[in-house]
Amino acid sequence: NAGVTQTPKFRVLKTGQSMTLLCAQDMNHEYMYWYRQDPGMGLRLIHYSVGEGTTAKGEVPDGYNVSRLKKQNFLLGLESAAPSQTSVYFCASSQPLRADSYNEQFFGPGTRLTVL
Amino acid sequence: GEDVEQSLFLSVREGDSSVINCTYTDSSSTYLYWYKQEPGAGLQLLTYIFSNMDMKQDQRLTVLLNKKDKHLSLRIADTQTGDSAIYFCAERALSGGYNKLIFGAGTRLAVHP
Repeated sequence: NAGVTQTPKFRVLKTGQSMTLLCAQDMNHEYMYWYRQDPGMGLRLIHYSVGEGTTAKGEVPDGYNVSRLKKQNFLLGLESAAPSQTSVYFCASSQPLRADSYNEQFFGPGTRLTVL
Repeated sequence: GEDVEQSLFLSVREGDSSVINCTYTDSSSTYLYWYKQEPGAGLQLLTYIFSNMDMKQDQRLTVLLNKKDKHLSLRIADTQTGDSAIYFCAERALSGGYNKLIFGAGTRLAVHP
């Protein structure tokens, strides 16, 4: 049981290049999330998905696109990378949020992205 | 708006107690969480508290919730070097039509001998 895995672990891009970050979970979770973590700031939600084939915008969606073609995978794309997108990206998954449950989010190990 | 604030650094001696504090703004938050991030790793849920509770204890961890002041604290008894990590406070809030977690910036706990 691997939990939440992310690939790649590290990446360096030049401004304007594109890339896709892959997140996979083997816990059969419905919900998946992409966050970015910047120094001195908490995690900020980029996009999320409440099920296969559905995605929605979070707090900071500009410059990113996502796809959830399979339940276990959630892809984050950068079409034209900018230095402001230098960050550590975390994927997470959870069961559907319920009022009577604390609904733990399970996090991947992160992808450190540098845009030059 | 929604905001979660916590101090950025805390240094304690091994064996002492650590207290990490957090304030939040959304009075309708149902759950509040403490996540731990070790170097080079993702976040792991440490503990949580439901909004109708004042205190929760789990082995060396004690969570105190003051709903009136919107203040949450995490106390770690007998702090060990293995407790060195970044601790994130988070609240679950309903915003923009969906439930989301709002994270603080994280408190870096350094444990020294």
